[in-house]
This record gives sequence, structure tokens and C-alpha cells, in this order.
Amino acid sequence: DIQMTQSPSSLSASVGDRVTITCRASQSISTYLNWYQQKPGKAPRLLISSASTLQSGVPSRFSGGGSRTDFTLTISSLEPEDFATFYCQQSYSSPLTFGGGTKVEI
Amino acid sequence: EVQLVESGGGLVQSGGSLRLSCAASGFTFSTYEMNWVRQAPGKGLEWVSYISGSGRTIFYADSVKGRFTISRDNAKNSLYLQMNSLRAEDTAVYYCARDSTEYGSGSYDFEYWGQGSLVTVSS
Repeated sequence: DIQMTQSPSSLSASVGDRVTITCRASQSISTYLNWYQQKPGKAPRLLISSASTLQSGVPSRFSGGGSRTDFTLTISSLEPEDFATFYCQQSYSSPLTFGGGTKVEI
Repeated sequence: EVQLVESGGGLVQSGGSLRLSCAASGFTFSTYEMNWVRQAPGKGLEWVSYISGSGRTIFYADSVKGRFTISRDNAKNSLYLQMNSLRAEDTAVYYCARDSTEYGSGSYDFEYWGQGSLVTVSS
């Protein structure tokens, strides 16, 4: 199974900050990497697919990068609605696996 | 508008069974791959199972293999998860989730999610 490791597990930031979350795969997954945002009590939301493709309706302050084993999710300037937990997920092979999550809080 | 609505969750004793349903609308159900993803209280996301649009290809997480069965009824626009031999560690909110691409393109991502159905297994 492919293990996905996110760092940090949590971070404190302020509105306007630039934030970067990293995700590392235990083996090469090319760019088969997706990012989700989840707010408390809500279902996750797909932000980015294929490592860097922004989903429709997702603000351009979100961006993704990386390939093979190392990936990043960057929020260029935090907005109040961005405080949430973010998950990476590999779509390279079954079993599909998620990272442990990164909680972005004030 | 794409909608996924889960039902069937509840409280069950360890060793018992439960069947979750997911009613889909707003898209051509038969052309999309579907998944179940769960989240234990206060924990992260865990993929549970996948089924292709035709129902011919199915995958399971090792943690549920042999106990859970995914199925779909394309005539009823519905996805199911039959859960047997339930354990305390199966306690979670179960989401049905739709792939982003159709016709077997296999993105294996989760573009649309239901609101979730809570399954509680008491020991």
C-alpha cells in the first residue's frame, strides 16, 4: 500500500499569510495526487486534482505542485474561510489512501 | 445539480449488520464510478470501497474486505454498502463519493460527496 504523509499535522496562521502544506508518498505516484478541504461537520471538498489542476469554483489563491513523491498545497493569502483541515489523497493505485490531514487554525 | 444522499446508518451491536444506501441525482449515474469513504470520530479520511459504472470492477480496503459488499443499481440511481460482522472500529461517518470523470476514465478522485451517514457499533 502507498503511505501518504502530510506535514505539518497542524499550523497556526493569520489572515493574509502564505501557507504551504506538504504531502509525501511512500513511492512514486507521478502526479496522481488530489487535495481536499474539510470544515467541521461538513463533507470534504475537492480542491485540486492531478497535483495541480484547480477544480471549478476554487479560488486562485489555492495552488498545487509536485510530482513523483513530493507534493505541496499552497494558499497564497489566507482568507477567513480557509481555516479548515486539508487532506492529500493518492489516486495512483488501490487501495486509495489519504494523508493524515493538516489542520490550519488561527 | 449533483446530489448524493446517504441513508441507513444507525446504532448496531458488534457482530451485527447494516446496509447503507446512497441516492444519486443530477447526473447520469451509470456512467460514473462511485466510492464509499469513511471518517471515524475526530479522525482522518479512509477510503472503503470503489465500484465501476457497470459494477463489474470492485475494490475494497483491506480493513473491510470479506465483511463489506459494495453494489449499485443503475436503474434506481443508487449505491449500496452492505456491512456485516461489524466491529467497534467501523464506527464512523460513511460518505458516498462520485468520481470526477465518467465512462471509466478512472480519475479515482472524489469530486462530489454526500452529507454522510453515521454508523455506530457498540461493543
